[in-house]
Amino acid sequence: KAGVTQTPRYLIKTRGQQVTLSCSPISGHRSVSWYQQTPGQGLQFLFEYFSETQRNKGNFPGRFSGRQFSNSRSEMNVSTLELGDSALYLCASSFGENQETQYFGPGTRLLVL
Amino acid sequence: GEDVEQSLFLSVREGDSSVINCTYTDSSSTYLYWYKQEPGAGLQLLTYIFSNMDMKQDQRLTVLLNKKDKHLSLRIADTQTGDSAIYFCAEWPNSGGYNKLIFGAGTRLAVHP
Repeated sequence: KAGVTQTPRYLIKTRGQQVTLSCSPISGHRSVSWYQQTPGQGLQFLFEYFSETQRNKGNFPGRFSGRQFSNSRSEMNVSTLELGDSALYLCASSFGENQETQYFGPGTRLLVL
Repeated sequence: GEDVEQSLFLSVREGDSSVINCTYTDSSSTYLYWYKQEPGAGLQLLTYIFSNMDMKQDQRLTVLLNKKDKHLSLRIADTQTGDSAIYFCAEWPNSGGYNKLIFGAGTRLAVHP
């Protein structure tokens, strides 16, 4: 069974631009979570979706948004990029509605210049 | 509050055992996890333990859980150079309606000949 895939793997943007990252969960998994990883802040939770509904959101500004499609694929969007948004963005999927083990993708490394 | 703590660095000789320690805060956490991250990669799930267990063994990996002290450890037997990576401890809080993993800062394991 294929693992979690994320596209693109690397991205370079400039301040003020916006970016969309994509995540395809493991087949059959319905929950997708997003995390931001930076050297300074470590791994921080962004949001979690289940059956197209956002169930939980981390402490990030409104510039960070996401959505989930009916096939469980998810996208996250960051508008008006800032230098501090440079990070590794990790997507994780899990099977069911309740707490489940999360499996991570390889991440998208975003560099904002 | 949410806080998972780990020591930041561990150096071991090849062939020795490595022990990585972690303390967590939410006594209601049902599952506790260990993830491994190699350079430039996402998070790889190594193992997890259910809170009603004291120990779990999986090949070279042994997880010990002391629920009273909220202490989790990961022992890697016969440590190899391929084990060099960052190891993250994570808890899934069962209180507050969370649907997310809370990560420690990660322990960088360096294996030398």
